[in-house]
Amino acid sequence: VHLAESGGGLVQPGRSLRLSCLASGSTLDDYAMHWVRQAPGKGLEWVSGIYWSGLKTGYSDSVRGRFTISRDNRENSLYLQMNSLRPEDTALYYCVKDLKPGGADVWGQGTLVIVSS
Amino acid sequence: DLVLTQSPLSLPVALGQPASISCRSSQSLVHDDGNTYLNWFRQRPGQSPRRLIYKVSDRDSGVPDRFSGSGSGTVFTLKISRVETEDVGVYYCVQGTHWPYSFGQGTILDIK
Repeated sequence: VHLAESGGGLVQPGRSLRLSCLASGSTLDDYAMHWVRQAPGKGLEWVSGIYWSGLKTGYSDSVRGRFTISRDNRENSLYLQMNSLRPEDTALYYCVKDLKPGGADVWGQGTLVIVSS
Repeated sequence: DLVLTQSPLSLPVALGQPASISCRSSQSLVHDDGNTYLNWFRQRPGQSPRRLIYKVSDRDSGVPDRFSGSGSGTVFTLKISRVETEDVGVYYCVQGTHWPYSFGQGTILDIK
């Protein structure tokens, strides 16, 4: 399985951005998918996750109410709609796939989001 | 939220010597299904994290057997029996038992 993120870029505070993640290769059903971010020079932070069914989602306290995760299994795609962006959202955003529960098995290369005026 | 605490945060090791990293959880990582979803990752500079160990002690494909994981409940350890140059990087423990997933702060392993 290969994951490819896209949609990052430079955006002003308060604006929106939509990240996408396309899965290719062996795209069998997974358990869940996640977005994890890493601010420059910092550690890893879980941002949001969604089960394969799409019926359960989760968000970190820092993004809840501003970010929305979704997926389209027919298109093998994961999305993150990011609204009301803040400078502290600046990070490399990774798409992560759980092939089995709790695994975080597969990671993409990340897409960089910079929030700055 | 659940907190994972790694130690040490910096680990200089001589080539061929063993290394050990501890990861302590603020709550049990035993899932309702009986499994413990505690994983270990390494991140090299400029690269995405790569999983080395899953469910406490299972090595991923291609991971040398000098890497081993152990522990239970809330205390876990990653051990490298003999450190090699390619082992340099930042090591993270990651729990997938509870949502949200949690990450340790990271341990920087370098060669002394």
